[in-house]
Amino acid sequence: DVKVTQSSRYLVKRTGEKVFLECVQDMDHENMFWYRQDPGLGLRLIYFSYDVKMKEKGDIPEGYSVSREKKERFSLILESASTNQTSMYLCASSSGTSGGKRNEQFFGPGTRLTVL
Amino acid sequence: GQNIDQPTEMTATEGAIVQINCTYQTSGFNGLFWYQQHAGEAPTFLSYNVLDGLEEKGRFSSFLSRSKGYSYLLLKELQMKDSASYLCAVSLGATNKLIFGTGTLLAVQP
Repeated sequence: DVKVTQSSRYLVKRTGEKVFLECVQDMDHENMFWYRQDPGLGLRLIYFSYDVKMKEKGDIPEGYSVSREKKERFSLILESASTNQTSMYLCASSSGTSGGKRNEQFFGPGTRLTVL
Repeated sequence: GQNIDQPTEMTATEGAIVQINCTYQTSGFNGLFWYQQHAGEAPTFLSYNVLDGLEEKGRFSSFLSRSKGYSYLLLKELQMKDSASYLCAVSLGATNKLIFGTGTLLAVQP
């Protein structure tokens, strides 16, 4: 079974702190994604990566950065946390970029981040 | 822009059939996914449609019409454990990134 793990299920931080959210997948997937999920807004893509050291902005990258130094690990960084970044953060991974393949994304359990 | 619409909430009775609709307007289309998400848990894959028509998998079926920008998820013989959010997502671009709808919260009542 594909396993995507995230470093914490619950996290509480203070405004202005630097926050690291870690995600690890064990299926040798090329693609990795970070989303946030908020009531009424659904899942929104923050950043994604299709290869080591490669990254692309998603729909809401402001206030976030990412790092992918190894294929299995994708980190989301909040440089200076703010209260409007309180949310559920979900990491996902998928294989390859070939068209026509199902390439579903496998999700981690999520990290519920509260910024006070 | 990209837009995916689905109803916010639905209620159905145990043992019945329910259809959850999804309409989309996107620039590009690789395929359409349905995910199930129970409260407090990660989304899990349910179905995938890339060609027009119906895909059946046990109690769950999914339909796609690319010309109409329309899909539905059909759940038969509803069980209480089917109470969850159902997320419609369109796959775009060479990296197959997903654009999600806001999800439909389904409540199954006895």
